Amino acid sequence: NAGVTQTPKFRVLKTGQSMTLLCAQDMNHEYMYWYRQDPGMGLRLIHYSVGEGTTAKGEVPDGYNVSRLKKQNFLLGLESAAPSQTSVYFCASSYSTINEQFFGPGTRLTVL
Amino acid sequence: RKEVEQDPGPFNVPEGATVAFNCTYSNSASQSFFWYRQDCRKEPKLLMSVYSSGNEDGRFTAQLNRASQYISLLIRDSKLSDSATYLCVVRGPGGSYIPTFGRGTSLIVHP
Repeated sequence: NAGVTQTPKFRVLKTGQSMTLLCAQDMNHEYMYWYRQDPGMGLRLIHYSVGEGTTAKGEVPDGYNVSRLKKQNFLLGLESAAPSQTSVYFCASSYSTINEQFFGPGTRLTVL
Repeated sequence: RKEVEQDPGPFNVPEGATVAFNCTYSNSASQSFFWYRQDCRKEPKLLMSVYSSGNEDGRFTAQLNRASQYISLLIRDSKLSDSATYLCVVRGPGGSYIPTFGRGTSLIVHP
């Protein structure tokens, strides 16, 4: 099992460009999450999904959109990137609301 | 009061030392508890779950005190490779979808 994978691993964007980050899990987990982590700060939840076709806002959703068309995939979109979105983005999944989360390796995004 | 609180440290200890971290949580209905380890610029990785009766995994021991609402992590015989940030995570009750993370405790083990 690959666990949780994320693509791409690194990306540099110019202000105003758009991109999509892909998260995939092969553990048949219902719950998937997108976090961002900035230097010296903890993980902040952007959006999450409690099952295929569902999404919900987390703590810092502005400027991001998500989709969960297939159970195994959770996409994070930036429609018009801003320098404030420079961060490391982690995807995570879990089997239930009380089980542990498994994290992907992260995407390092720089917006110039 | 923050939902999950940790001392950010850093805890600076010599190799071979024993070090302990605590994490307090505010929701008495919380159901599950975890310690994660995060190395610099890497993803958090599950170190161990924390069970009501306490549990041990090699040099690591985790305890849960529901009455006082805290969990602890004890590391014995510290290694240089234990240097990392340790995150406390609390989940539940069952209807709550979002885990609550502490900000992490930084551990530096020096020769």
